[in-house]
Amino acid sequence: DTGVSQDPRHKITKRGQNVTFRCDPISEHNRLYWYRQTLGQGPEFLTYFQNEAQLEKSRLLSDRFSAERPKGSFSTLEIQRTEQGDSAMYLCASSVRLAGSYNEQFFGPGTRLTVL
Amino acid sequence: AQTVTQSQPEMSVQEAETVTLSCTYDTSENNYYLFWYKQPPSRQMILVIRQEAYKQQNATENRFSVNFQKAAKSFSLKISDSQLGDTAMYFCAFLYAGGTSYGKLTFGQGTILTVHP
Repeated sequence: DTGVSQDPRHKITKRGQNVTFRCDPISEHNRLYWYRQTLGQGPEFLTYFQNEAQLEKSRLLSDRFSAERPKGSFSTLEIQRTEQGDSAMYLCASSVRLAGSYNEQFFGPGTRLTVL
Repeated sequence: AQTVTQSQPEMSVQEAETVTLSCTYDTSENNYYLFWYKQPPSRQMILVIRQEAYKQQNATENRFSVNFQKAAKSFSLKISDSQLGDTAMYFCAFLYAGGTSYGKLTFGQGTILTVHP
């Protein structure tokens, strides 16, 4: 399978704990995106990377959230001191950046986080 | 900032019939794309169809077509000959195609479509 993969698929944690999610984009895709989707709602943009550079962050990404993409390959999203309001599906998507054109974003299956 | 609104939380249709999902958006930009994404239960999101704002012709992909009304900022999806596999949450999404925001999708709230046999 050469699609976007995310790990873990499900995570249950207690309030106050730190969690880290991983996303492996499609090979050769230089752009990577993180979105958050709460139950019954559409995904909301969190951040994106072009190669290893983090180009944009949403104001939704509080100081407790940090994302990295070392070497421009996989990406991690860490949430520190989790709160019940962080419970959501965290989606990763990737695309290939070509100048002057639209690039389709391919989504992973998501990581569902439950904070107790 | 752009907003996308889907006013139909749920829709249902009989197999083989046609259904239309509504979407409106608000933007001051002129260079953008619009999309419909499908998210089946417990499965990942996939792109159904896209429309470039500069194109007047409505996009079509097999049984899926759109009605793009730029002045009215309306972007509806028509599914013809509905199939059971079309059962999913459908999201309308906006992407600004200029400046440095060349990747951030703005989604609507979604419409749950159920196709009945």
